[in-house]
Amino acid sequence: QKEVEQDPGPLSVPEGAIVSLNCTYSNSAFQYFMWYRQYSRKGPELLMYTYSSGNKEDGRFTAQVDKSSKYISLFIRDSQPSDSATYLCAMSAPDDKIIFGKGTRLHILP
Amino acid sequence: GAVVSQHPSRVICKSGTSVKIECRSLDFQATTMFWYRQFPKKSLMLMATSNEGSKATYEQGVEKDKFLINHASLTLSTLTVTSAHPEDSSFYICSAGRDRNSPLHFGNGTRLTVT
Repeated sequence: QKEVEQDPGPLSVPEGAIVSLNCTYSNSAFQYFMWYRQYSRKGPELLMYTYSSGNKEDGRFTAQVDKSSKYISLFIRDSQPSDSATYLCAMSAPDDKIIFGKGTRLHILP
Repeated sequence: GAVVSQHPSRVICKSGTSVKIECRSLDFQATTMFWYRQFPKKSLMLMATSNEGSKATYEQGVEKDKFLINHASLTLSTLTVTSAHPEDSSFYICSAGRDRNSPLHFGNGTRLTVT
């Protein structure tokens, strides 16, 4: 079993819909959780950073961590065509290297 | 604004030549930086960990003599692709974090084309 699992997609949703992106993991020591957005031919951009369980909201983005299920989510409200990108989850244990998911390609259809 | 700067963004070189890519942390000191390679529509592949003042740590399968890494200061790491071949053509990305438990910030990548 891989440490971090992420569905590669592509995921296509209509503009204005709520998008749900997810990752599962196997290492119970992970405590830091991140979501990155990567546009084509650009470096990944940090969107959300959370520590331990719970929700964190930033504008149209909500990151959710459920450590009991080893499951993290990123929700995008009122999705827009400019949200079309690849979204990577990432996580790490204290003082350990960051492990990335393979990324989910998201297409928002106008 | 960007906290990690990478240069150049694009480079074309001939087979057999060497290419240097720079990665700078702009508003923090980074004792560790990371170099990744990414093929089209594929995930990030960690190549090596750059350590300030000491040798880089390479991932399995990455040739250290081909991909030379120098971390001469707390804000600068360089990756030199030596004796480049067309199969080295790829997207190279660097990253750095403020400390070991901080998220990584990425440069905007360098697209290398070897002709």
